Amino acid sequence: AQSVTQLDSQVPVFEEAPVELRCNYSSSVSVYLFWYVQYPNQGLQLLLKYLSGSTLVKGINGFEAEFNKSQTSFHLRKPSVHISDTAEYFCAVSKGGGSQGNLIFGKGTKLSVKP
Amino acid sequence: EPEVTQTPSHQVTQMGQEVILRCVPISNHLYFYWYRQILGQKVEFLVSFYNNEISEKSEIFDDQFSVERPDGSNFTLKIRSTKLEDSAMYFCASGVKNIQYFGAGTRLSVL
Repeated sequence: AQSVTQLDSQVPVFEEAPVELRCNYSSSVSVYLFWYVQYPNQGLQLLLKYLSGSTLVKGINGFEAEFNKSQTSFHLRKPSVHISDTAEYFCAVSKGGGSQGNLIFGKGTKLSVKP
Repeated sequence: EPEVTQTPSHQVTQMGQEVILRCVPISNHLYFYWYRQILGQKVEFLVSFYNNEISEKSEIFDDQFSVERPDGSNFTLKIRSTKLEDSAMYFCASGVKNIQYFGAGTRLSVL
């Protein structure tokens, strides 16, 4: 079975500062990794994904994440955040190998960008 | 851009009543899912559906729950006799090529 740990429940940061949201996973099989963003009163929007290939993946809104197999991590980064990035961010994992399996989510990290 | 649509956005019901939550997945997707998020908790998997049958379900998805794709476009989640603890945000997702796309959710409030 897979599990996901997001160590930080809340991350406050000033506008234009860099940010890193941490995600670690546990799995005995190969996995696919995802970050979703939830803006207030909205659904889950796919931010970026790692399925295979390059371990550095770029997503929407200037975010990127790096898959580190040895550290079982998939941390999300942005070099300069905007007020509009204030949202809750969820890391998720699914079984790899083309299984189309269900997602296992972390508890989420609330990013709060202050002016 | 195609999206997953869910109706209603908010459903209020009395304990013991049946509710049906509706979803229209993205048209060329073949895999469908329901998740729920109780306030302040993780998003949890309920059930996945492929080729007109359940492919996987979690422990949460007991006999009170059922899913159906009645007409080739809608995908529904039925809760037969709602309990207070069923109050949550319910998300529908549809998937292709190992990626899932989510709807905006239905907030279910059981009184």
